[in-house]
Amino acid sequence: SAVISQKPSRDICQRGTSLTIQCQVDSQVTMMFWYRQQPGQSLTLIATANQGSEATYESGFVIDKFPISRPNLTFSTLTVSNMSPEDSSIYLCSVGRGEGEQYFGPGTRLTVT
Amino acid sequence: GENVEQHPSTLSVQEGDSAVIKCTYSDSASNYFPWYKQELGKRPQLIIDIRSNVGEKKDQRIAVTLNKTAKHFSLHITETQPEDSAVYFCAASYQAGTALIFGKGTTLSVSS
Repeated sequence: SAVISQKPSRDICQRGTSLTIQCQVDSQVTMMFWYRQQPGQSLTLIATANQGSEATYESGFVIDKFPISRPNLTFSTLTVSNMSPEDSSIYLCSVGRGEGEQYFGPGTRLTVT
Repeated sequence: GENVEQHPSTLSVQEGDSAVIKCTYSDSASNYFPWYKQELGKRPQLIIDIRSNVGEKKDQRIAVTLNKTAKHFSLHITETQPEDSAVYFCAASYQAGTALIFGKGTTLSVSS
């Protein structure tokens, strides 16, 4: 499995501001994804981070609110823009290698006040 | 798109009993079905998975079965232990390594 790190691990932010979350993998991976896990809930896919092209967003998530970058095969960022209390959640990146399994980063716990 | 239903939402068993969690999926094109265990405050951990060309897979006390015709798959935990207490999520995707659609989760409590 890959070693996945996320920064920051947690943050408390004011409404209306933006936060960029970083995901770093210790080896090149084909696929990277961003999920959201609201308190006590399941994981919801936000988008697939495509290397060298625009991310593919799931229904209900838009690029203006959750811009994503993936400049190479080991790194991706997710920005949560113009935050509101409803954005309070855990944001997790995950990685998958072709036909292999998918593994999750430790998550970023975001609280918006 | 794919939709995954998971039951039950909570499950309480005595130590040593078996536990079964069931999931159904909607898209017949899905062919990869992993199970994740999430302990409080931790990331989801992959515990077992199954691909559509296999009907059953075992790993020590854990097994997963898949019925493609009925579009459902199940997690079986035998000889449960208190450390099995966690939230378990099933998921489905078109192939391993691609985006996962998760069930709502099952909170398993094993009492000693």
